Amino acid sequence: DAGVTQSPTHLIKTRGQQVTLRCSPKSGHDTVSWYQQALGQGPQFIFQYYEEEERQRGNFPDRFSGHQFPNYSSELNVNALLLGDSALYLCASSLPGPISYEQYFGPGTRLTVT
Amino acid sequence: QKEVEQDPGPLSVPEGAIVSLNCTYSNSAFQYFMWYRQYSRKGPELLMYTYSSGNKEDGRFTAQVDKSSKYISLFIRDSQPSDSATYLCAMSVRSSGSARQLTFGSGTQLTVLP
Repeated sequence: DAGVTQSPTHLIKTRGQQVTLRCSPKSGHDTVSWYQQALGQGPQFIFQYYEEEERQRGNFPDRFSGHQFPNYSSELNVNALLLGDSALYLCASSLPGPISYEQYFGPGTRLTVT
Repeated sequence: QKEVEQDPGPLSVPEGAIVSLNCTYSNSAFQYFMWYRQYSRKGPELLMYTYSSGNKEDGRFTAQVDKSSKYISLFIRDSQPSDSATYLCAMSVRSSGSARQLTFGSGTQLTVLP
């Protein structure tokens, strides 16, 4: 049973560029959340997708946007990259329904902005 | 003040020691509590998930929640060098919908010396 997968593993971009990160949830999971983890910090919630809609959003600017596809996979887009966007971007998936609050994380995409 | 406070360490113990990791929180709406283990440059791995106050045991790991004090702990018995990692506490409020935002501590770096 494949866990959460993310691509690419590493990415180097220049300030002002745009980037797209991809995530496939764990089998049977329908909810995808994205987190940003700066070096030495805990992950910070960016947003969550369920039924192809953004359901909840953390304190991140509109430069951060996302999408969820009918197969539950998801993309995170970041426009007008800043040096401060350099971080590990984590995708997490969770089971459907109101019962489970457990989230399972992928290996992350390490983004470096130069 | 952060919603979740966690001593960053680093914490260094000899193999076989009992390790105690702790988090405090300020938001009394948090009802779901998780502990994640994160190896260097990897995604967080879910270790323990608890809902109510009290203890939950899983092998060498025991999670403890004291909602009256807004304090949670993770105990590791018979610690092994393979337990060397960063440990993150995470919390979520109860939601009737699909929202599953996790709020993380900053993580405690643990090293178990052989």
